[in-house]
Amino acid sequence: DTGVSQDPRHKITKRGQNVTFRCDPISEHNRLYWYRQTLGQGPEFLTYFQNEAQLEKSRLLSDRFSAERPKGSFSTLEIQRTEQGDSAMYLCASSFMTGRGYNEQFFGPGTRLTVL
Amino acid sequence: EDQVTQSPEALRLQEGESSSLNCSYTVSGLRGLFWYRQDPGKGPEFLFTLYSAGEEKEKERLKATLTKKESFLHITAPKPEDSATYLCAVMYSGGGADGLTFGKGTHLIIQP
Repeated sequence: DTGVSQDPRHKITKRGQNVTFRCDPISEHNRLYWYRQTLGQGPEFLTYFQNEAQLEKSRLLSDRFSAERPKGSFSTLEIQRTEQGDSAMYLCASSFMTGRGYNEQFFGPGTRLTVL
Repeated sequence: EDQVTQSPEALRLQEGESSSLNCSYTVSGLRGLFWYRQDPGKGPEFLFTLYSAGEEKEKERLKATLTKKESFLHITAPKPEDSATYLCAVMYSGGGADGLTFGKGTHLIIQP
């Protein structure tokens, strides 16, 4: 039973550098979500894809952030010109959307980003 | 104003001491309320989905209930392995499409 996987699990970078994270969803799931979580807070929604189409972006997703899901499979989240405020856990989740709107999201282990 | 508020922020119980966690929400057009468990350094683990007031779901020592403005997660005779942060999230019409809006969580500690 393979769940959602994320790579890398930890990333330390210097301010101003670009970083890219990868998420592999549960294979039969058609929706993929990105969230960000800081210490003591719940996850905050960033963006989501249905198949390869990016359907929504949160106002939290600044121009320095870009996400892709080529071919509707894995997804990447890139942060350009990282800032110390970008330090957080980046979580990926996937779900299978049906006509009933059934939408339980299953999360990966997260990528912890530290910007020095 | 927070749309999802969880209380208490932290709770320490003795093993076997039952209690309830609260999640209140102010959004309208609720499409679903979700409970997750999160262990330190890990992603949230799905527990329950509730769709309408009056609905209840159970899993082992956990039982989730839903009213029109709040949900409760009841923990019966907890064990130390139930220690975790419990997160509540909502999906609602007019919100971030199908993105979940989370509360800050309740940090639960069960002492042997």
